[in-house]
Amino acid sequence: DAGVTQSPTHLIKTRGQQVTLRCSPKSGHDTVSWYQQALGQGPQFIFQYYEEEERQRGNFPDRFSGHQFPNYSSELNVNALLLGDSALYLCASSAYTGTPDSPLHFGNGTRLTVT
Amino acid sequence: QKEVEQNSGPLSVPEGAIASLNCTYSDRGSQSFFWYRQYSGKSPELIMFIYSNGDKEDGRFTAQLNKASQYVSLLIRDSQPSDSATYLCAVRGLSFGNEKLTFGTGTRLTIIP
Repeated sequence: DAGVTQSPTHLIKTRGQQVTLRCSPKSGHDTVSWYQQALGQGPQFIFQYYEEEERQRGNFPDRFSGHQFPNYSSELNVNALLLGDSALYLCASSAYTGTPDSPLHFGNGTRLTVT
Repeated sequence: QKEVEQNSGPLSVPEGAIASLNCTYSDRGSQSFFWYRQYSGKSPELIMFIYSNGDKEDGRFTAQLNKASQYVSLLIRDSQPSDSATYLCAVRGLSFGNEKLTFGTGTRLTIIP
């Protein structure tokens, strides 16, 4: 049973460029969330997708956008990269049940470095 | 006040002893509570989650929840060197459109052989 898979593992970009990160959820999961984790901090919520729609969004600028596909996989796009966007980007998936007993499982993350 | 606060670290515990990790949260609407373990450079790994008041045990790990006090803790019994990691506490609401996880900044735990 494959867990949450993310690609690429590492990425180096230059300021002003655009980047796309990809995520495939765990089998049986239909909800995908993205988090940004800066060094020494806890993960910060970017947004969540369910049924191909953005259902909830954190305090991130519009430069951060996403998409969910019919097979539940997801992409995170970041435009006009800033040095401060350097972080570990985590994808988490879960099965929407509307009950408290549906934990999130994280992928291995994508380490983005902006130079 | 931070939404989720964890006891400041780093925390050092002798091998075989009990490690106690604490977390408080501000949103009384929080419904479920998670403990993740994160090794350096790796992604968070789910250890336990709890959503009812009281204790929940899984092997060497026990999660404790007190919603009235807005407090959740994780006990690690018979601590092993492999338990050395950063432990992240996270809380989640459950109302439609409010299912994001809010994390604390983590507590770094070191088990001393």
